[in-house]
Amino acid sequence: GENVEQHPSTLSVQEGDSAVIKCTYSDSASNYFPWYKQELGKGPQLIIDIRSNVGEKKDQRIAVTLNKTAKHFSLHITETQPEDSAVYFCAASGSHTGTASKLTFGTGTRLQVTL
Amino acid sequence: DGGITQSPKYLFRKEGQNVTLSCEQNLNHDAMYWYRQDPGQGLRLIYYSQIVNDFQKGDIAEGYSVSREKKESFPLTVTSAQKNPTAFYLCASNLQGVNYGYTFGSGTRLTVV
Repeated sequence: GENVEQHPSTLSVQEGDSAVIKCTYSDSASNYFPWYKQELGKGPQLIIDIRSNVGEKKDQRIAVTLNKTAKHFSLHITETQPEDSAVYFCAASGSHTGTASKLTFGTGTRLQVTL
Repeated sequence: DGGITQSPKYLFRKEGQNVTLSCEQNLNHDAMYWYRQDPGQGLRLIYYSQIVNDFQKGDIAEGYSVSREKKESFPLTVTSAQKNPTAFYLCASNLQGVNYGYTFGSGTRLTVV
């Protein structure tokens, strides 16, 4: 099955700096890669996603890049703010059974933005 | 507003007890999922369901059971066979068809006492 590795596990940046989180996946058939942000005690929220026919996608201060050949994708957050502090998860679509797209998640990155 | 509601937020289980976690969605999503979250291990899939009256095991289904009698509801029962049930449980749903992002509920924290 699919295996997703995520690095780093913790990341501390100063406000205004950029943050980059990297993930690799194992299943070359995976074609959907979402990123989630989870605040303490809450469920994850989808912040951006990318499909395999696209190499890069940007939404304001957040961007995701995908390298299908190398099987890795990255989340880039520019001009970080204290409210960006949270745990971020990457995911990749695993096996497809009917209409359900099972996601396999990375182990998460705890991002702390310091003043 | 549409969304997923999980209840209760906190749940305590005694040894040998079965407990049921509720998950209700009003998004008209066909597929629903249950994940378990442990520190440092990300989210692991327990069960998922594509349509009413049908569900499949995920990666860690042992000690859990589910039902899908209504499109809107996907309750999870943690049975006494689950030896280490203390965790944060997340329910999610998405639109029919592949490659749509999940909408997650706010989670239930289960603790064995």
